[in-house]
Amino acid sequence: QQQVKQSPQSLIVQKGGISIINCAYENTAFDYFPWYQQFPGKGPALLIAIRPDVSEKKEGRFTISFNKSAKQFSLHIMDSQPGDSATYFCAASLDLETSGSRLTFGEGTQLTVNP
Amino acid sequence: NAGVTQTPKFRILKIGQSMTLQCAQDMNHNYMYWYRQDPGMGLKLIYYSVGAGITDKGEVPNGYNVSRSTTEDFPLRLELAAPSQTSVYFCASRPRQGKSNQPQHFGDGTRLSIL
Repeated sequence: QQQVKQSPQSLIVQKGGISIINCAYENTAFDYFPWYQQFPGKGPALLIAIRPDVSEKKEGRFTISFNKSAKQFSLHIMDSQPGDSATYFCAASLDLETSGSRLTFGEGTQLTVNP
Repeated sequence: NAGVTQTPKFRILKIGQSMTLQCAQDMNHNYMYWYRQDPGMGLKLIYYSVGAGITDKGEVPNGYNVSRSTTEDFPLRLELAAPSQTSVYFCASRPRQGKSNQPQHFGDGTRLSIL
């Protein structure tokens, strides 16, 4: 069962443009929604995260928008740069010690920012 | 501070061979995880551990085994390698801090081919 669905699979944006990646989840008990960034040959690294009690979180050029009623959240990258070219994963988890705070990942989006 | 270290970085196995993927972390994290990453599929959880001596299955545990005898080490064993296990394997860890969500820290992966 796919509990977190991510789109698009790939995205090409011009330098300075806005990149938008969307995710939808099924389990209403999820209480933590991170985005991870992965460069080729490296492991994923946390980019930004949000909890469901807020609708938006911004860190620099990166913003998460969260819609609890629609069970959707999205990543917006403003003023996209070639250095942002990477694979982005959304994820969701229950912060329960008994379940190890496991993350369920989306399928990933390969972002290419053209100079 | 090395973080999460995975060895080997690359390996080619023949069908039916066995091997152990090593994972070590030096951050004194209680939680550790093993994922596999296949193209377009995101990261799938194989096994996880909430502390030394405690392990549990994730989404895709078949064909794998784990052990956690120390806080630092979390090896993943493939007993009878099959072509379907060709993948990139990532180990991750995170601290246990009450109900605060902490990021998972990933190693740089082991690229495994079964021929």
